[in-house]
Amino acid sequence: AQSVAQPEDQVNVAEGNPLTVKCTYSVSGNPYLFWYVQYPNRGLQFLLKYITGDNLVKGSYGFEAEFNKSQTSFHLKKPSALVSDSALYFCAVRDMGGNNRLAFGKGNQVVVIP
Amino acid sequence: GAGVSQSPSNKVTEKGKDVELRCDPISGHTALYWYRQSLGQGLEFLIYFQGNSAPDKSGLPSDRFSAERTGGSVSTLTIQRTQQEDSAVYLCASSPYTGVSYNEQFFGPGTRLTVL
Repeated sequence: AQSVAQPEDQVNVAEGNPLTVKCTYSVSGNPYLFWYVQYPNRGLQFLLKYITGDNLVKGSYGFEAEFNKSQTSFHLKKPSALVSDSALYFCAVRDMGGNNRLAFGKGNQVVVIP
Repeated sequence: GAGVSQSPSNKVTEKGKDVELRCDPISGHTALYWYRQSLGQGLEFLIYFQGNSAPDKSGLPSDRFSAERTGGSVSTLTIQRTQQEDSAVYLCASSPYTGVSYNEQFFGPGTRLTVL
């Protein structure tokens, strides 16, 4: 089965510093990878996805992610974090079972410190 | 445009009661998903609808859970004889189906279910 792992529970970063949220994947075949963000008491919002092509994917709110096939990673990055980026971040992979459902990581709480 | 909406936003019920959760997908989206978000379990897939095809119910945790989708639009998730372990946030998502398999899913705000 397809799966993703988010090894850290919480990421603390000072405002203005680079932000990285880690994700590794395990798939058979080509991976379709996604990042979502969840603000308190809100649903998940799509940030970006990797399907094919350039390994560096740009998304919403200044986020980008780098697909690395050799390391089976898809880390989310932002050059300069904002306090408003404090939220729960989920990495996901499309399940190959035929229904396009997403298999999510456990999520990472990001805390941006003013 | 309007996003995915869910109702109610919060539901408190007593153990053993039945509950119905509603999802209105984005207009024109033919794919609809239900997920459950709970502490310790993360986000779990429950059920998937695509057009008029038979739903994929492989993620439903027990036969107390069922869902339907009327007219290819609104969906209702029903939990019978609720148990305390059913307490979670139930998220609905929809997606356009264009013959490709990597369209992103758009999520609603969720229904927070608390079973006392």
